Amino acid sequence: DVVMTQSPLSLPVTLGQSASISCRSSQSLVHSDGNTYLNWFQQRPGQSPRRLIYKVSNRDSGVPDRFSGSGSGTDFTLQISRVEAEDVGVYYCMQGTHWPPTFGGGTKVEIK
Amino acid sequence: EVQLVESGGGLVQPGGSLRLSCAASGFNFSNYWMTWVRQAPGKGLEYVASIQQDGSEKYYVDSVKGRFTISRDNAKNSLYLQVSSLRAEDTAVYYCARLFTCDYWGQGTLVTVSS
Repeated sequence: DVVMTQSPLSLPVTLGQSASISCRSSQSLVHSDGNTYLNWFQQRPGQSPRRLIYKVSNRDSGVPDRFSGSGSGTDFTLQISRVEAEDVGVYYCMQGTHWPPTFGGGTKVEIK
Repeated sequence: EVQLVESGGGLVQPGGSLRLSCAASGFNFSNYWMTWVRQAPGKGLEYVASIQQDGSEKYYVDSVKGRFTISRDNAKNSLYLQVSSLRAEDTAVYYCARLFTCDYWGQGTLVTVSS
């Protein structure tokens, strides 16, 4: 299975500052169809996960433009600019290129 | 509005079985792959199984193969997960989600395996 490694495990952030989460895969996530199926999810405390980003950099409907995704191959980043209190939670990357889809271990974002 | 509502969880003894259900609304259910993902208490997310639109293709993660069965009833807009031969490590919140890439999630249903 493809191993997804996220860092850091915990990310204390000051309100209004930026946050960056790294996600690395154990093999390339470029699919034979040319797409890269790397997604990002947010899970607020006590809630179900919510997809934020799909195919590396496409924001889902209703996701603030403070969230952006980038990367290629095996190295990906989720950037949160101007962190707000509602951004507190755990963020997961997930690859959907290789079966089975696998998730990173999660990064907990908290306010300093 | 897309809605996914899971039910059927509960406390079950090791070796027991349950049938989890997911009622879908707000979209054309028969047009979408559907997926089950689980989350053990305080842990991360684990993909469990997916099923194609007409139910002809099904995929399972190795840890549940032979014990779990995913199915669907498009006439009832419902997704199911039959979980059998349950082990303590199957204790988790089970979420249904739309698509392989999980663009929408339900609220989850808790399965607790304990004697």
